[in-house]
Amino acid sequence: GQSLEQPSEVTAVEGAIVQINCTYQTSGFYGLSWYQQHDGGAPTFLSYNALDGLEETGRFSSFLSRSDSYGYLLLQELQMKDSASYFCAVRGDKIIFGKGTRLHILP
Amino acid sequence: SQTIHQWPATLVQPVGSPLSLECTVEGTSNPNLYWYRQAAGRGLQLLFYSVGIGQISSEVPQNLSASRPQDRQFILSSKKLLLSDSGFYLCAWSPPHGYEQYFGPGTRLTVT
Repeated sequence: GQSLEQPSEVTAVEGAIVQINCTYQTSGFYGLSWYQQHDGGAPTFLSYNALDGLEETGRFSSFLSRSDSYGYLLLQELQMKDSASYFCAVRGDKIIFGKGTRLHILP
Repeated sequence: SQTIHQWPATLVQPVGSPLSLECTVEGTSNPNLYWYRQAAGRGLQLLFYSVGIGQISSEVPQNLSASRPQDRQFILSSKKLLLSDSGFYLCAWSPPHGYEQYFGPGTRLTVT
């Protein structure tokens, strides 16, 4: 079957760094995406990795290891506005979203 | 710039009633279009996607259907709603050969 696994919740302190992991099992693989969703809002696109390695976009970075079927989203210099749910999504034979990781940020 | 619209924002419908949700995209041509459903506190479930007018792929068998009568218009329908159809419905688009998806504001549907 196809599945995505990510932690349901993560807590970190304002100004710190946090990593959200995602492991996947899919039929076919084209790339791994990350989305942010604030309460009551729609998801917004953060990043996409098709090849192994680290992609950096400002305070956010995303990593992919295709051989390990694993990726992560790294958030640096955490701000209170980063409190949200983060979803990984795989584009393979189908598009599958993880169940999301709720990020709590403490002052 | 590209914009995606969805309406209505909220909807309360009785069991057995019909449904029609509309999504339109502006500022792009030949987008891929998607309908998702999100249950409370859960991930997104892909319901339908379309790569062109009249071309619809269904991901999950259910009592919902989708149509794409125009290039930038995507409609989600049901003839008879079930209680289990309640949820947050999201329309999204992506460039024809792109990977990023851009979501509309969503419709929160409650079936009573």
